[in-house]
Amino acid sequence: EAGVVQSPRYKIIEKKQPVAFWCNPISGHNTLYWYRQNLGQGPELLIRYENEEAVDDSQLPKDRFSAERLKGVDSTLKIQPAELGDSAVYLCASSPLWGSYNEQFFGPGTRLTVL
Amino acid sequence: GENVEQHPSTLSVQEGDSAVIKCTYSDSASNYFPWYKQELGKRPQLIIDIRSNVGEKKDQRIAVTLNKTAKHFSLHITETQPEDSAVYFCAASIGNFNKFYFGSGTKLNVKP
Repeated sequence: EAGVVQSPRYKIIEKKQPVAFWCNPISGHNTLYWYRQNLGQGPELLIRYENEEAVDDSQLPKDRFSAERLKGVDSTLKIQPAELGDSAVYLCASSPLWGSYNEQFFGPGTRLTVL
Repeated sequence: GENVEQHPSTLSVQEGDSAVIKCTYSDSASNYFPWYKQELGKRPQLIIDIRSNVGEKKDQRIAVTLNKTAKHFSLHITETQPEDSAVYFCAASIGNFNKFYFGSGTKLNVKP
């Protein structure tokens, strides 16, 4: 079984440019998460989807960040425009079902560097 | 919301010694506590978890203990090996809601 897939793995952009990250969760996983992980810190939730519905986006900086999960499978996270402070690793994770104890499976992450 | 605190931030042990990492949480409704290991440049991977209906769980050299009254849980690694060197994260979740709160991580260095 393939794990969570993310692309690109690395991205270097100049500030004020847009950037997009893509995630393909494990087949059949209803819950999808986007996290931001700053160097030396734990993952911080940006947004959580149950199928195609964003059920928790309270930590998403909505002035510049947006996300979508069309058809409840793949998801895209976008930043426009990027700022220097957005440099971090963006992790996608998925888990099987809502309403039960579930392990999260993480993707390899996208390392974003904003110059 | 939940607040998870983890310490120490760094831990250095000699190969063969034991290592203990501690986490506290604030929301008494949290009932699922996973631990993740993240090697440099790699994804976090679950190594052990515990649910609130048990006080201890063990898997070979790794064990986790939970004290619900005090709202803290700990990771114990015995007979440490150099390949145990990594960053370890604890997390807490209210199981029905699939929302995880992570600690800030502990960088474990096992010296050969």
